[in-house]
Amino acid sequence: EAQVTQNPRYLITVTGKKLTVTCSQNMNHEYMSWYRQDPGLGLRQIYYSMNVEVTDKGDVPEGYKVSRKEKRNFPLILESPSPNQTSLYFCASSLAGSTGELFFGEGSRLTVL
Amino acid sequence: QKEVEQNSGPLSVPEGAIASLNCTYSDRGSQSFFWYRQYSGKSPELIMFIYSNGDKEDGRFTAQLNKASQYVSLLIRDSQPSDSATYLCAVNVYGNKLVFGAGTILRVKS
Repeated sequence: EAQVTQNPRYLITVTGKKLTVTCSQNMNHEYMSWYRQDPGLGLRQIYYSMNVEVTDKGDVPEGYKVSRKEKRNFPLILESPSPNQTSLYFCASSLAGSTGELFFGEGSRLTVL
Repeated sequence: QKEVEQNSGPLSVPEGAIASLNCTYSDRGSQSFFWYRQYSGKSPELIMFIYSNGDKEDGRFTAQLNKASQYVSLLIRDSQPSDSATYLCAVNVYGNKLVFGAGTILRVKS
């Protein structure tokens, strides 16, 4: 089954404690992206990757890091989480050239206390 | 001005009616337009995309694009309670950057 898998789905953490949200896709997609969704603000792009070893900032990259060492994986790293990073996070992927035709993961709800 | 704007709703329509969802965008150079549906507590799923001016139909869904007026709309015919969801408009702006609107909540009353 074609899917984008995120873990963890739910996480409560404290300010400053480093965490990683994993994302893996099994569709051999070149393009992967991370979004955060907040009430009234919609989906905002954090980082994206056009292919292995190629990453770029989206609209709200501050406080986040990513890496793309393998085609299928695109982890999101919060080095020192802060309460304003409390949000619902989605990983998404698509074929190269179809960056608007996204397949989304199920989402990861993060709370930073 | 936001790059992609949608009325937040909620838009309430009776079962069997046509639901009309609208979206405007700011970049005249945009070429690709997408509609996603998001059920409460779920992830967005792509339901329509349109690249050319005019209408594109897929079952009960019709996407309409008017580049001169910079708007894209989604019509849902014979609306069903299962269509109740948030509908997100997304537009490729300034090349390959995909920007989402904040979404319109649709409620279909039986």
